Amino acid sequence: QKEVEQDPGPLSVPEGAIVSLNCTYSNSAFQYFMWYRQYSRKGPELLMYTYSSGNKEDGRFTAQVDKSSKYISLFIRDSQPSDSATYLCAMRRTDSWGKLQFGAGTQVVVTP
Amino acid sequence: GAVVSQHPSWVICKSGTSVKIECRSLDFQATTMFWYRQFPKQSLMLMATSNEGSKATYEQGVEKDKFLINHASLTLSTLTVTSAHPEDSSFYICSAAPGGSNNEQFFGPGTRLTVL
Repeated sequence: QKEVEQDPGPLSVPEGAIVSLNCTYSNSAFQYFMWYRQYSRKGPELLMYTYSSGNKEDGRFTAQVDKSSKYISLFIRDSQPSDSATYLCAMRRTDSWGKLQFGAGTQVVVTP
Repeated sequence: GAVVSQHPSWVICKSGTSVKIECRSLDFQATTMFWYRQFPKQSLMLMATSNEGSKATYEQGVEKDKFLINHASLTLSTLTVTSAHPEDSSFYICSAAPGGSNNEQFFGPGTRLTVL
């Protein structure tokens, strides 16, 4: 069983819709949670990071962490075609600085 | 924002040859750099952690004699794939963490290696 599970998609939504992404994990020691966006043949770009449980909002992006369920989510409001990319969740333990465990990534396609 | 570059962006080589990939932090000093490998439609897998001035720490299952890492300065780390074989063909991505950073890793654009 993988430590981090993420549905690879593709997830297709119309422009303006809310994109809902999620990951589940098995290691209860994970405390830091990140979401990255990766365009084709490019390196990942950090979008959001949160520590422990709770919500965090930044512009059109909202990240949620539910540690009791070992479940994290990313919501993208008012989606645009430029949001079409692969979104990767990543997480790490407090004592493993820098050692990120990535999900497989969800491919998102926003259609005009 | 912090910028990390990689060179080359893509490389094709013959089986048995060695290939060097450079990772540079352009506008910050990186005490730690990380090397990842990504197969198509798969997750990034951490290969090794590179600390400036010391030996790299390799993840389990990664051959240190095959994937040589050098972090000679605070802005440059290199990954050399020695005696490359077709199964080494992959997308190699580095990331760099600014000194004192707790969560930020800035990723390079990646290098696509194809071994014939």
